[in-house]
Amino acid sequence: SQTIHQWPATLVQPVGSPLSLECTVEGTSNPNLYWYRQAAGRGLQLLFYSVGIGQISSEVPQNLSASRPQDRQFILSSKKLLLSDSGFYLCAWSGQANTGELFFGEGSRLTVL
Amino acid sequence: KQEVTQIPAALSVPEGENLVLNCSFTDSAIYNLQWFRQDPGKGLTSLLLIQSSQREQTSGRLNASLDKSSGRSTLYIAASQPGDSATYLCAVPAGGYQKVTFGIGTKLQVIP
Repeated sequence: SQTIHQWPATLVQPVGSPLSLECTVEGTSNPNLYWYRQAAGRGLQLLFYSVGIGQISSEVPQNLSASRPQDRQFILSSKKLLLSDSGFYLCAWSGQANTGELFFGEGSRLTVL
Repeated sequence: KQEVTQIPAALSVPEGENLVLNCSFTDSAIYNLQWFRQDPGKGLTSLLLIQSSQREQTSGRLNASLDKSSGRSTLYIAASQPGDSATYLCAVPAGGYQKVTFGIGTKLQVIP
């Protein structure tokens, strides 16, 4: 069966520090991969998605970036965090077909101080 | 631009009651619609996925319906239990099946 792992679960970082959140999927190949952010009282916001290695689409201009160095690995990064980057970050995957179901990781809570 | 609305925002019911959660979307050209459950501080758990060609899907005490023409979906929960307490979100693709738009969710509390 397929599983998705995301870490770290919780992170407290000072403003201006770098960020790296990692997500890996097991039990499937060539998945679509996604990074979402969930702010309190707001819906999930799609940040990035990837349909293959090295292929990244950005949905929202920001100081975050994403990379997909391997088929089942998706990384969210920042060189310098802002206070507004605080939030709950969720990684997800789906199959390649347009009927694909979305599956989420457990999330990473980022607090920027 | 696809917009997803969920009503009510919060719901409190006594245990054993049947209930309906509503989801509406503005662009009916969707591939599918998915219902999720989210417990506090946790990720989203997929409950049901309805393909655009389907009218409903059932899983245990859950039944989801889809009416594309009216831009609506409902999630019916039968015989609610305290363990059903969570936030329920619906989601539809928009502008490409990879771009999924979420509602803010309905926060459900089932009182023992």
